[in-house]
Amino acid sequence: GENVEQHPSTLSVQEGDSAVIKCTYSDSASNYFPWYKQELGKRPQLIIDIRSNVGEKKDQRIAVTLNKTAKHFSLHITETQPEDSAVYFCAASHSNTGFQKLVFGTGTRLLVSP
Amino acid sequence: EAGVAQSPRYKIIEKRQSVAFWCNPISGHATLYWYQQILGQGPKLLIQFQNNGVVDDSQLPKDRFSAERLKGVDSTLKIQPAKLEDSAVYLCASSSINYGYTFGSGTRLTVV
Repeated sequence: GENVEQHPSTLSVQEGDSAVIKCTYSDSASNYFPWYKQELGKRPQLIIDIRSNVGEKKDQRIAVTLNKTAKHFSLHITETQPEDSAVYFCAASHSNTGFQKLVFGTGTRLLVSP
Repeated sequence: EAGVAQSPRYKIIEKRQSVAFWCNPISGHATLYWYQQILGQGPKLLIQFQNNGVVDDSQLPKDRFSAERLKGVDSTLKIQPAKLEDSAVYLCASSSINYGYTFGSGTRLTVV
């Protein structure tokens, strides 16, 4: 089955710096890659996603890149702010029908210091 | 649209006791999932329903965990008997082809 690895496990940056979190997946059939932000005690919230037919997607300060050949994808946050501090999870799934079983990475704790 | 509703928010039980969690998905979402999130880890799928049928329960510890989704709407997840290692947050999520994937707030279970 699918296996998703995520690095680093913790990431500390200064406010205004960029942060990059990387994930690799094992199943070449995976075609959907969402990123979730989870604040302490709260539900995971989708922040951005990408499908395998595109290589990059951007939404304001957040971008995701996908390299299907290498089977890895990355989350890029620019101009980080203290409110970006949270745990970020990548995930992968393969489904074209909406039956999206997500396999999650182990998470990255991002700390943005003022 | 209303979110995924879960109850209770917190539960503390002794080992070997039983416990049940309830989930009400977003109206119209045919697919419902139960995930287990142990502290410091990513969510792990326990069971996935499509309407009232099970699509995937390969990671559900069936000797102690059970789940049902009668009438293809609400779902309950039960643990009997509970073990210390079952302490986790149990997240329910629902999805549809057109509206993507939404998590509930979860039930935090502590087994003592």
